[in-house]
Amino acid sequence: DAGVIQSPRHEVTEMGQEVTLRCKPISGHDYLFWYRQTMMRGLELLIYFNNNVPIDDSGMPEDRFSAKMPNASFSTLKIQPSEPRDSAVYFCASSLYNNEQFFGPGTRLTVL
Amino acid sequence: GESVGLHLPTLSVQEGDNSIINCAYSNSASDYFIWYKQESGKGPQFIIDIRSNMDKRQGQRVTVLLNKTVKHLSLQIAATQPGDSAVYFCAENLQGAQKLVFGQGTRLTINP
Repeated sequence: DAGVIQSPRHEVTEMGQEVTLRCKPISGHDYLFWYRQTMMRGLELLIYFNNNVPIDDSGMPEDRFSAKMPNASFSTLKIQPSEPRDSAVYFCASSLYNNEQFFGPGTRLTVL
Repeated sequence: GESVGLHLPTLSVQEGDNSIINCAYSNSASDYFIWYKQESGKGPQFIIDIRSNMDKRQGQRVTVLLNKTVKHLSLQIAATQPGDSAVYFCAENLQGAQKLVFGQGTRLTINP
């Protein structure tokens, strides 16, 4: 298995633009997680899905952030409009049942 | 690439020595704990896990100890190698929830 795949790996955009981050979980995993990592706040859980259904989105910072999982092999995290304070590394992770989470390589987002 | 805070606790050890990384977790209801390793520019990588019904678990060159009385977790790395240089995170999972809460991390550096 190729592991969790994220795209793009790097994204540079201007304030106010829409940003879409993509994730393909490990095949067969039933949980998918989106995290954000910053110097100031460390690694934070934004939202997670079980069997494509959002279970807990309490970590989503505000309405500018949204996440979808239209099928078992694809998820998106969208920021609209983006702001400089959204600059961070965004990780997607997947897991099978209540076991260890496997992380993707991350998307480094820079909002100018 | 920077993926962790500027003021992380740092542990420096000599190559070949044993390393012990400590972590205090916050919730007595947590029943599953994981150690992750994060190298620069990469996503966190699973090292070892332990459930709350155990107090010790061993892997290859790594041992995790759990002390529920004082809510303390430690990771021991035997015969530390240059490739062990990374930031190490502990994470706890609340009982009944598929939701990891990560610690701030400890940077491990290896002296030749």
